[in-house]
Amino acid sequence: QKEVEQDPGPLSVPEGAIVSLNCTYSNSAFQYFMWYRQYSRKGPELLMYTYSSGNKEDGRFTAQVDKSSKYISLFIRDSQPSDSATYLCAMSEQGSGTYKYIFGTGTRLKVLA
Amino acid sequence: DTAVSQTPKYLVTQMGNDKSIKCEQNLGHDTMYWYKQDSKKFLKIMFSYNNKELIINETVPNRFSPKSPDKAHLNLHINSLELGDSAVYFCASSQGGASYGYTFGSGTRLTVV
Repeated sequence: QKEVEQDPGPLSVPEGAIVSLNCTYSNSAFQYFMWYRQYSRKGPELLMYTYSSGNKEDGRFTAQVDKSSKYISLFIRDSQPSDSATYLCAMSEQGSGTYKYIFGTGTRLKVLA
Repeated sequence: DTAVSQTPKYLVTQMGNDKSIKCEQNLGHDTMYWYKQDSKKFLKIMFSYNNKELIINETVPNRFSPKSPDKAHLNLHINSLELGDSAVYFCASSQGGASYGYTFGSGTRLTVV
């Protein structure tokens, strides 16, 4: 079993829909959570960062962490065709020193115009 | 001005050959990484250097050898290439704690034939 699980998709939605992307994890020591967006043939780019449990909002994007369920989510409101990409969650135990992020396998999202 | 640049972007080579991938970052970050992304988009850490010192060395075959001549550069040399080495290799850098995340390069697509 992988430490971080993500539904690979593809997930197809019409423009303007609310998108929910999710990851589950097994390591209860994870405290730092991130979402990256990766366009085709590009490197991942950081979208959202959350520490421990709670919500964080940035424009159309909302990240949620539920540590009791070992579950994180990324919501995209008013989705646009330009949101079509692969979304990767990433998690880390440590916040400083020698830390590494463990990535999920990514969910491919297609937003149809 | 590219923050994390990798060369070459594409590399096609025969089994048994030796090849190198170069990475440079102009962000002034102290820590650099090599990640491997397989055909299913799974990103796995290989190495991490902090200010030229190797700090993370995952279970990677000895055929892979990273070198960091200074904190702005991290190269990856691969000996005796195998078919299973075909993947996209990403260089990344980070500064400070886990909350800052990584800045990724655009990747090197390695195909071994």
